[in-house]
Amino acid sequence: DAKTTQPNSMESNEEEPVHLPCNHSTISGTDYIHWYRQLPSQGPEYVIHGLTSNVNNRMASLAIAEDRKSSTLILHRATLRDAAVYYCIPSDKLIFGTGTRLQVFP
Amino acid sequence: ETGVTQSPTHLIKTRGQQVTLRCSSQSGHNTVSWYQQALGQGPQFIFQYYREEENGRGNFPPRFSGLQFPNYSSELNVNALELDDSALYLCASSPQGARGYTFGSGTRLTVV
Repeated sequence: DAKTTQPNSMESNEEEPVHLPCNHSTISGTDYIHWYRQLPSQGPEYVIHGLTSNVNNRMASLAIAEDRKSSTLILHRATLRDAAVYYCIPSDKLIFGTGTRLQVFP
Repeated sequence: ETGVTQSPTHLIKTRGQQVTLRCSSQSGHNTVSWYQQALGQGPQFIFQYYREEENGRGNFPPRFSGLQFPNYSSELNVNALELDDSALYLCASSPQGARGYTFGSGTRLTVV
């Protein structure tokens, strides 16, 4: 399984952009990069996924490095509801690491 | 509404007992995975089923077993419960070819 490195925690103020980094230097050439988040007392929630190109959806944007060894999840305007643990998963097997705990302050 | 329903939401069992946890997925979701999440940790992959056959397994002993049924429901069975089995058990499902999984809210199992 590809090894993943994410910061343990990050902080943001409400309505500011948030860039959540992830290193996955051992990713397989054909595996997608998935991002999920888990709000308190809930199951994980799909956020976005991509292979090589940058991706956008209603929740976030995903910027993927050209060598695919890292990616960044971008929340364009953080809200209090975005406070969660964000998991970067560089594998189609959906193996979770420890994630990044995002705190959002009013 | 997530589209994946798990039951029961909470359960208390005694060490050595057996437990069955249930998951009901959306129609067409023929891939289902089960996860164990201890407090403060990320979800740990137990196994995955695709069209009623086991399609991958994590580092869990054989006393963790599963079933998937044609009606898109599935079960996680755990025999000989141990205190360390206390955790949140999550079910996630996906339609064939899709990349995103839908998770249920989980079953909180406490073993005493």
